[in-house]
Amino acid sequence: EAGVVQSPRYKIIEKKQPVAFWCNPISGHNTLYWYRQNLGQGPELLIRYENEEAVDDSQLPKDRFSAERLKGVDSTLKIQPAELGDSAVYLCASRESSGSLNEQFFGPGTRLTVL
Amino acid sequence: GNSVTQMEGPVTLSEEAFLTINCTYTATGYPSLFWYVQYPGEGLQLLLKATKADDKGSNKGFEATYRKETTSFHLEKGSVQVSDSAVYFCALRSFTGGGNKLTFGTGTQLKVEL
Repeated sequence: EAGVVQSPRYKIIEKKQPVAFWCNPISGHNTLYWYRQNLGQGPELLIRYENEEAVDDSQLPKDRFSAERLKGVDSTLKIQPAELGDSAVYLCASRESSGSLNEQFFGPGTRLTVL
Repeated sequence: GNSVTQMEGPVTLSEEAFLTINCTYTATGYPSLFWYVQYPGEGLQLLLKATKADDKGSNKGFEATYRKETTSFHLEKGSVQVSDSAVYFCALRSFTGGGNKLTFGTGTQLKVEL
């Protein structure tokens, strides 16, 4: 069974440019998470989806970040415009919703460098 | 709010040495506790977990015991291998406020040398 797929793996952009990250969760996983991991830090939750509904986006900087999961499967995270401080690894994770103790499975992440 | 504190790295050990990575937490309620491992260029993988006080999680020779009295979940392994070199993250999951939300520590890099 395929794991969580993310693309691209690496992205280098100049500040003020837009950027988008894509995530395909494990088949059948209704819950999807986006995390940001700064260098030398642990991941921090940006947004959580239950199917197509964003149920926790309290940590998402809404002035420049947006996310969508239109059909409750794939998800896209966008930054527009990017700032130098946005350089980080963006991780996607998914989980089966049926059991509250179910594990989150993480993708390999997208490493963003903003110049 | 919830928080996780773990020892700073890097931790450098010789192969077959004993490993301890300390982790303490602050949380409301009764959180579940986890150790994740991140190998270079890969995503986080669940290493072990414990869901209640005095539970011991174990996997691949690693162990950690949920100590409510000291709010700790220290990771141990009796004999490390070069292949254990990675970054290890302690995390907690609390259901207060809704959802399956993980709070991570800052990670501890382990380097194992021959």
